Amino acid sequence: NAGVTQTPKFQVLKTGQSMTLQCAQDMNHNSMYWYRQDPGMGLRLIYYSASEGTTDKGEVPDGYNVSRLKKQNFLLGLESAAPSQTSVYFCASRSVGAGELFFGEGSRLTVL
Amino acid sequence: QQQVKQSPQSLIVQKGGISIINCAYENTAFDYFPWYQQFPGKGPALLIAIRPDVSEKKEGRFTISFNKSAKQFSLHIMDSQPGDSATYFCAAGEYGNKLVFGAGTILRVKS
Repeated sequence: NAGVTQTPKFQVLKTGQSMTLQCAQDMNHNSMYWYRQDPGMGLRLIYYSASEGTTDKGEVPDGYNVSRLKKQNFLLGLESAAPSQTSVYFCASRSVGAGELFFGEGSRLTVL
Repeated sequence: QQQVKQSPQSLIVQKGGISIINCAYENTAFDYFPWYQQFPGKGPALLIAIRPDVSEKKEGRFTISFNKSAKQFSLHIMDSQPGDSATYFCAAGEYGNKLVFGAGTILRVKS
């Protein structure tokens, strides 16, 4: 059982570069989320998607974009990376009407 | 802006002791209060959750206490074990909707 799979697990970028973090879930969940985790700040919601083709901003969306073209995939893009985006990124998914969030193992991004 | 305040930031407990982590929320519309456990290099995983229709929920050594009037809830870990050493996050939200997480508590259980 794969659950939620994130790629890549580690990435180093230079300021101004762009990249996409990929998330795939095999649980047929409708809702998917991107969080970032920073020391002392917990998990902060960047974007979420209630269903395929829909996305909404979370607490900290600036500098990011997302795409949910397929139900099982949720992509997080950084158009022009900044050092402030150095963080661990977590993707999560949830079934309709359920409480539990299922998280991936994270993608550690360093922006130099 | 944090809508869920969690304390303490870190906690050291002796093996066999009780670990207590507290959280407070602001939004009275919240009706779902989970706790997540995270081990190094892993994603958070649901540990236990409570809805406001009960004041306490127990699963094994883990208990959530909930005080609706004070808008506070806490996690108690009885007979704490070294294997419980992890980061714990409280969260709050409307059931089935997005969650707001606390800042996290790093728990170390000394053997």
